[in-house]
Amino acid sequence: SYELSQPPSVSVSPGQTASITCSGDKLGNKYVFWYQQRPGQSPALVMYQDNKRPSGIPQRFSGSNSGNTATLMITETQVMDEAHYYCQAWDSSTVVFGGGTDLAVL
Amino acid sequence: QVHLQESGPGLVKPSETLSLTCTVAGYSITTFYYWGWIRQSPGKGLEWIGSVSLSGITYYTPSLKSRVTMSVDTSKNQFSLRLTSVTAADTALYYCVRVVSSASPFYYYMDVWGRGTTVTVSS
Repeated sequence: SYELSQPPSVSVSPGQTASITCSGDKLGNKYVFWYQQRPGQSPALVMYQDNKRPSGIPQRFSGSNSGNTATLMITETQVMDEAHYYCQAWDSSTVVFGGGTDLAVL
Repeated sequence: QVHLQESGPGLVKPSETLSLTCTVAGYSITTFYYWGWIRQSPGKGLEWIGSVSLSGITYYTPSLKSRVTMSVDTSKNQFSLRLTSVTAADTALYYCVRVVSSASPFYYYMDVWGRGTTVTVSS
């Protein structure tokens, strides 16, 4: 079965740039989606089709996908960006999620 | 604005059937083709359970396929999940979701999530 790998945690200082990676075999041939889950809340879509931002998502969020790696980048990171981030793709008629990355802003 | 609300028993006994319903508010369920369910075990990541289309087409995750049934009731603006023969491993927060999909180019993702409902499997 297809797997997506994410680093368990990423730390960033406020105002700096955070990069969260998602790796999978030939992932660049698939669309990747990103979800943000703040503590105690439902996940929310923050990036779709690799690099498109849903309405209401700040321009600080950007995405890319090439080769075997997709990346969610957050510039000028704020404390409110602290959350778990999950990447998602589709393979063999199933949704596949990455294991999630805990973004700490400190 | 679309709201999804999960409902169902919060406690299910081992070996019994878990049944949840998702009510779609503020929007006709017929406007989007696929609707789905995702769960999250305590302290764990997201697990896709599957999805159902308005015409009854289903996609289920392989590990649960033999125990899962999903359906849509357009007259009630609801869709549902049944999971049979539950064990403690099925204890989780269950989310219902709206699915955005396209055949060409192909993509499939979840753009609206319910608040989730906690289901505990215990005797």
